[in-house]
Amino acid sequence: KNQVEQSPQSLIILEGKNCTLQCNYTVSPFSNLRWYKQDTGRGPVSLTIMTFSENTKSNGRYTATLDADTKQSSLHITASQLSDSASYICVVSLSWGKLQFGAGTQVVVTP
Amino acid sequence: GAVVSQHPSWVICKSGTSVKIECRSLDFQATTMFWYRQFPKQSLMLMATSNEGSKATYEQGVEKDKFLINHASLTLSTLTVTSAHPEDSSFYICSARDRSGSMKEQYFGPGTRLTVT
Repeated sequence: KNQVEQSPQSLIILEGKNCTLQCNYTVSPFSNLRWYKQDTGRGPVSLTIMTFSENTKSNGRYTATLDADTKQSSLHITASQLSDSASYICVVSLSWGKLQFGAGTQVVVTP
Repeated sequence: GAVVSQHPSWVICKSGTSVKIECRSLDFQATTMFWYRQFPKQSLMLMATSNEGSKATYEQGVEKDKFLINHASLTLSTLTVTSAHPEDSSFYICSARDRSGSMKEQYFGPGTRLTVT
């Protein structure tokens, strides 16, 4: 069964602090892994996309890592800002293009 | 970057009526568009895959006669919720796959909030 599991389910962090979100997957055959940010009441916005040969990719204060051997990915947020409050979704793409979604991690950044 | 728009952004309708939601790729051509539904505090659930010029492919458990999908052009797909009921109230999101590029990236629309009273 293809699954994408994210942890933690939610977290609260102080503005300016760093945090790391985890994603484990059992999806096969794997094409690429994406991280999306979804603000409440909005559609997901792509942060990073990585193929199996890429270990890390950055987008501003967001850095994603991928270990295709252990089937784990992480998203690190550096120097968090209030605008980072959102749901972060890990999405794995199967080789034929279908997306498998994680349940998301709800991040709340407090002043 | 690629932009996908949805219209309307929110709609309230009475039970038994039909509602049409439009999804447009504004600056790229999309041979494939996807329709998702998202309930509160849950992730996106794929409803159907829409290919330009052909019939949509529905996921298991999604009623094709209730959720009518039309993909008439490379930039427009529509989802019509027929005979809507309160349980159809949800957040509907479309995405469009850019047919160019090796990653075949999917770009998501901003979503449409449907409330059926």
